[in-house]
Amino acid sequence: QKEVEQNSGPLSVPEGAIASLNCTYSDRGSQSFFWYRQYSGKSPELIMSIYSNGDKEDGRFTAQLNKASQYVSLLIRDSQPSDSATYLCAARDNYGQNFVFGPGTRLSVLP
Amino acid sequence: DTAVSQTPKYLVTQMGNDKSIKCEQNLGHDTMYWYKQDSKKFLKIMFSYNNKELIINETVPNRFSPKSPDKAHLNLHINSLELGDSAVYFCASSQTSRGMAFFGQGTRLTVV
Repeated sequence: QKEVEQNSGPLSVPEGAIASLNCTYSDRGSQSFFWYRQYSGKSPELIMSIYSNGDKEDGRFTAQLNKASQYVSLLIRDSQPSDSATYLCAARDNYGQNFVFGPGTRLSVLP
Repeated sequence: DTAVSQTPKYLVTQMGNDKSIKCEQNLGHDTMYWYKQDSKKFLKIMFSYNNKELIINETVPNRFSPKSPDKAHLNLHINSLELGDSAVYFCASSQTSRGMAFFGQGTRLTVV
């Protein structure tokens, strides 16, 4: 069964610090990986996608992918209280037919 | 110019009733999904349609029946609602070739 795993948290970091979120996936056929942010009572919102090994930076966010280790991470620099949310990692299968989501990591940024 | 819209946003109903949730996307995507998010916030695939054809049907009670009249619409009909059906249901869409999924605002279903 295809699975995506994340630490459920909560992960607490002080304002201005770097938050590091991790994710592993079981399906070696997965080709595309995504990080979504979900505020309480809202729908998941895409913040990063990554398809190739290495790092991808977008503003304060950096996604890292290591396909050999089946590992994806998200770094949030200069964390703000508004970053407090649940972060969902998703892997898309080789046929592009399904997104498998992890259980999410709850991040709390303390002022 | 909402990308993925689903209605209703809230649905409170009694056990045993039949209800429908509608979803529409204006992104031109070829694949649409229904996900269920339970009280622990775990987002689980229920169904996936590609160009109106069912391609994923996870282990879901057959009381749940999706219908895709065209590739911009994917509706979910639920028969004989049970207490355990209470959850948030999200519709999403994507383009098959590596595209990301975009979500609707969700429908919070409460069965009493």
